Amino acid sequence: DIQMTQSPSSLSASVGDRVTITCQASQDISNYLNWYQQKPGKAPKLLIYDASNLETGVPSRFSGSGSGTDFTFTISSLQPEDIATYYCQQYDNLLQTFGGGTKVEIK
Amino acid sequence: QLQLQESGPGLVKPSETLSLTCTVSGGSISSSSYYWGWIRQPPGKGLEWIGSIYYSGSTYYNPSLKSRVTISVDTSKNQFSLKLSSVTAADTAVYYCARLVVNHNDYWGQGTLVTVSS
Repeated sequence: DIQMTQSPSSLSASVGDRVTITCQASQDISNYLNWYQQKPGKAPKLLIYDASNLETGVPSRFSGSGSGTDFTFTISSLQPEDIATYYCQQYDNLLQTFGGGTKVEIK
Repeated sequence: QLQLQESGPGLVKPSETLSLTCTVSGGSISSSSYYWGWIRQPPGKGLEWIGSIYYSGSTYYNPSLKSRVTISVDTSKNQFSLKLSSVTAADTAVYYCARLVVNHNDYWGQGTLVTVSS
């Protein structure tokens, strides 16, 4: 099974700050890496698919990069509405694994 | 607009079988472009993929749950279902159904909390 190591598990940043979250796969997953945002009491929302593609309607301050085993998710300028938990998810041969999540808070 | 809605008992006794149904509206579950899946989230914890199904009935399960999970599809009702047997308190979670396109889950239901307790 492919394991996903996501870090940090939580972070606190100021409005306007650049925020970066990383996800490492236990083996090469090409670009089969997606990022989701989950707000309390809500279902996860797809933000980035295939490592770097922005889902329709998602603000451009969100971005993703990476391939192989190392991936990065970035919020270029943190906004109050971005307070949420973010998850990476890998896809390998129809099997999925999620990272442990990163809780983003405002400082 | 595609919508997914989970339904089923909110309370299940230990050792019994958890059964949930996801009803898809605004689109056909028989589309060749998509898989349909179940994902769960224990209270205060992260997301765990349970399994996925194609409209033809082909299934793919999380290896850690495979022995207890059955996912089925009813194309006539535009629904797919989850059965998880021999449940324990560790199976208490919010259960989500979702649409899988290529390799990502783009539409999700609102989720339903299932508590395992006597």
